[in-house]
Amino acid sequence: NAGVTQTPKFRVLKTGQSMTLLCAQDMNHEYMYWYRQDPGMGLRLIHYSVGEGTTAKGEVPDGYNVSRLKKQNFLLGLESAAPSQTSVYFCASIRDRGYGYTFGSGTRLTVV
Amino acid sequence: RKEVEQDPGPFNVPEGATVAFNCTYSNSASQSFFWYRQDCRKEPKLLMSVYSSGNEDGRFTAQLNRASQYISLLIRDSKLSDSATYLCVVISNDYKLSFGAGTTVTVRA
Repeated sequence: NAGVTQTPKFRVLKTGQSMTLLCAQDMNHEYMYWYRQDPGMGLRLIHYSVGEGTTAKGEVPDGYNVSRLKKQNFLLGLESAAPSQTSVYFCASIRDRGYGYTFGSGTRLTVV
Repeated sequence: RKEVEQDPGPFNVPEGATVAFNCTYSNSASQSFFWYRQDCRKEPKLLMSVYSSGNEDGRFTAQLNRASQYISLLIRDSKLSDSATYLCVVISNDYKLSFGAGTTVTVRA
């Protein structure tokens, strides 16, 4: 099925551990985004990419790294997880600015 | 100041009522505007785009006021299934997009 797939869906990490979240889209979209959503804060942009090989910082980039080596994949890395990174992470992609965004189903991450 | 601000609500309305709420944005260079709906911490889903001339989709009407930098959503004849959080989304000319924190609508029987 066409769309945005996020893996994993759930994860519990210990403080200091690292992990990578994968976002994959099969719609040939140029633009991809990583957000986190916390209660009362809404969706906040972490990093985004406007094409293969490009990345840019969003509103809350600290503690995260990203890579877009292939057009269809956008990876979000946590090098040393902290409890403040406990959140729901959403990936989204878009073909162009005039079109709505397609979201993945989210990754619920808990850092203990 | 946040780039996009919404009245968080909650708006508690009876079935059949009309409810409307706004979203203001700070970047005058913003290019595209959307309303999304989010249920129970699931992923946001596109409700409708917002055009300068205003647009309708069934019971939903969206409007954009560039001079005052706000968009609005109006829901007519509310249904129980309209209960959700409504997020406004603003996209700048450099493809950076900003979300409002959401407006909660609860429709009661």
